[in-house]
Amino acid sequence: DTAVSQTPKYLVTQMGNDKSIKCEQNLGHDTMYWYKQDSKKFLKIMFSYNNKELIINETVPNRFSPKSPDKAHLNLHINSLELGDSAVYFCATGGPYNEQFFGPGTRLTVL
Amino acid sequence: AQKITQTQPGMFVQEKEAVTLDCTYDTSDPSYGLFWYKQPSSGEMIFLIYQGSYDQQNATEGRYSLNFQKARKSANLVISASQLGDSAMYFCAMTPSLGGTGYSTLTFGKGTMLLVSP
Repeated sequence: DTAVSQTPKYLVTQMGNDKSIKCEQNLGHDTMYWYKQDSKKFLKIMFSYNNKELIINETVPNRFSPKSPDKAHLNLHINSLELGDSAVYFCATGGPYNEQFFGPGTRLTVL
Repeated sequence: AQKITQTQPGMFVQEKEAVTLDCTYDTSDPSYGLFWYKQPSSGEMIFLIYQGSYDQQNATEGRYSLNFQKARKSANLVISASQLGDSAMYFCAMTPSLGGTGYSTLTFGKGTMLLVSP
C-alpha cells in the first residue's frame, strides 16, 4: 500500500479554470502538508494541517483553499488558475522526528 | 527564520566512489532537525536520513551518513560506494524543532544534482 497517494499525477488545464488535487495518507499521522516545487526545483511549504485544522498558511493566494475532511485526507482546490501556478504540488505527512513522507506529486500545467 | 544553503548545483562522481554533498544551515532555534531527501528523475521525494541537533553521533543509514558539525552549522551528506541509481537531485532540509510537536514544516535548500558515471 502506498503511504501517501495523490490524484491526479498530471493536470493540464486552461487559465481561469478551477481544479482540485486529492491527497490521502495511510500512516495514521495527524499532520499533513502541501508543498509547491517550482520550475527551478525549489520546494516551499504552502499549508500545514494538524488533525483537520489549518496550522500554517504561508502567504499563499486565497485562490488556493485546502480542505481536510478527516485526518487521512488533505485536498487542495485552486480557483481561477494562473500561468504562474504551473508547478509540481506535493502532499506530505509528518513522522515522529518531523521528517515528512511525500506523495508522488501532481504536475500542474496551466496553459 | 531558518535558511539552508547548498552551494553545489551539480556534482559528478564515478561509480563505487564516495561523494560528499554540502549543506550549511542558519537558525536561531535551540533545537532542530536536519534531513536529506533524494529526488530522482521520476519526481518522487524520498526521505534518506535524519539528524537531531542534540544527537551526539552522526546519523547513518546504509550507504548514507550525515556529517554533522554543529559549531560550523553544517550537515553534509556522504554517500559511500556510489551507484548509478544514486543519480538524482538531493535536498537538504531542516525543521525548527525536534519530534513531538506534530507539525513542523521543512525548509529546503536549492538542491544538488548528483550524476554517477560508470
